[in-house]
Amino acid sequence: EVHLVESGGGPVKPGGSLRLSCAASGFTFSLFTMNWVRQVPGKGLEWVSSISPRTTDRYYADSVKGRFTISRDNAKNSLFLQMDSLRAEDTAVYYCASMTGYGYGPDYWGQGTLVTVSS
Amino acid sequence: QSVLTQPPSVSAAPGQKVTISCSVSSPYSENYFLSWYQQLPGTAPKLLVYDNHKRPLGIPDRFSGTKSGTSGTLDISGLQTGDEADYYCGAWDTSLNSWVFGGGTKVTVL
Repeated sequence: EVHLVESGGGPVKPGGSLRLSCAASGFTFSLFTMNWVRQVPGKGLEWVSSISPRTTDRYYADSVKGRFTISRDNAKNSLFLQMDSLRAEDTAVYYCASMTGYGYGPDYWGQGTLVTVSS
Repeated sequence: QSVLTQPPSVSAAPGQKVTISCSVSSPYSENYFLSWYQQLPGTAPKLLVYDNHKRPLGIPDRFSGTKSGTSGTLDISGLQTGDEADYYCGAWDTSLNSWVFGGGTKVTVL
């Protein structure tokens, strides 16, 4: 059974940095693209970033390009999101989501971790 | 720029059917493969449909997806109170190299 557990969320001041982690289990992590998706409380879903299995391809939403960096450690079955120059509008629940073969998008999701950017 | 447009809300009585539309405004809409997600209150999204009409293992056939031209739909038949949730369509935009979500549709069981 696929299991994704995010961590690293919390309060941070505008302009600050935070690093999110996602621990994956139940599938061969190194074979599949991984994603970060966020959701402002009470609002819709927004895709943030994707990374290919061997990190050759990384994609970002325009809203985070140049500020966020996605990475992964296949040896440790872990996904990361380094978030720099944080803004109030980055406040959201951040979900880690896998793409294990059900179509071209996220299939399994973690429970999310809340990031709050506020002075 | 691609956009997926969904109605904000739909409703029906228990046992009835609801249809949620997802309109694709993109020059490449014919190449879109839609996925549909259910998000129950306070929980993470769950994949219901992928590749326009396929269901992952364990998803009941009460949930069915279709796509024709620039529009996709998710039908929920035999509506149950447990189906009250937000539903999102999504697709990978090859021209933007980004995944896009619709704005979401709230399903209410009357």
